[in-house]
Amino acid sequence: LAKTTQPISMDSYEGQEVNITCSHNNIATNDYITWYQQFPSQGPRFIIQGYKTKVTNEVASLFIPADRKSSTLSLPRVSLSDTAVYYCLVGDEDSSASKIIFGSGTRLSIRP
Amino acid sequence: DSGVTQTPKHLITATGQRVTLRCSPRSGDLSVYWYQQSLDQGLQFLIQYYNGEERAKGNILERFSAQQFPDLHSELNLSSLELGDSALYFCASSVFSGPLTDTQYFGPGTRLTVL
Repeated sequence: LAKTTQPISMDSYEGQEVNITCSHNNIATNDYITWYQQFPSQGPRFIIQGYKTKVTNEVASLFIPADRKSSTLSLPRVSLSDTAVYYCLVGDEDSSASKIIFGSGTRLSIRP
Repeated sequence: DSGVTQTPKHLITATGQRVTLRCSPRSGDLSVYWYQQSLDQGLQFLIQYYNGEERAKGNILERFSAQQFPDLHSELNLSSLELGDSALYFCASSVFSGPLTDTQYFGPGTRLTVL
C-alpha cells in the first residue's frame, strides 16, 4: 500500500483557493486516490476520488500529474465552514481495510 | 446525513465494565467498518465485516469484539474497559468490500467516556 505524506496544517483566508498536496511516491498501477474531510467530533466525509489527470465535482477538484506520485486537492473560494481535517488515502479495490491509514491528515484553518 | 446510524450517542461508564455500541449501515451497504478516534492517536481502523463475515482486522484489542448480524447491522463490544479506551468510535459502511475505492459513509459516532 502506498505511503502518503501530507502537510500537518495549513492556514488560509475566506475567498481564497486552497491547494492541499499529498505525496504517494510508491503508488501502484491500480491504486485510486481518495480524499475525505472531517469536522470536529464528526465522522469523515468523502470529498473526491480520482485515478489520473483531473476530477471535479461540486465541492472540489483533484489534480493528478502523469506520474501519479502526488495529488492536489483544490478547494475553490474557501469559507469558514471549510475549516476541517483533510485525509488522503491511496489504494486499489483489493486493498485490505487492515492497511487503511488515515494518519493525521492536514488540518486546514480558514480565517475571516 | 450519511444514512449510517449509531447508538448510543454518548456513553459514560466505569473502568472494568462492558459496553456495546450499535451501528446500522446505509440501506444496501454490505460492509461495515469500525474506527476508534482518540485525541492522541487519530483515526484508527479496528475491524471490517462484509455481508456477515469478518473481512479485515486492524489494531483491535483482544478485549474488543464485533459482529455483523443477518440484517447487516453491527455491534462493537468493549469489555474490561480502561481509561485509555475513552474515545470517539465511528462506524462506516460501503456497498462492497473495497475500502479504498468504495466510498465509506461514516456515522455520527459514539463518544465513550470511561471514568
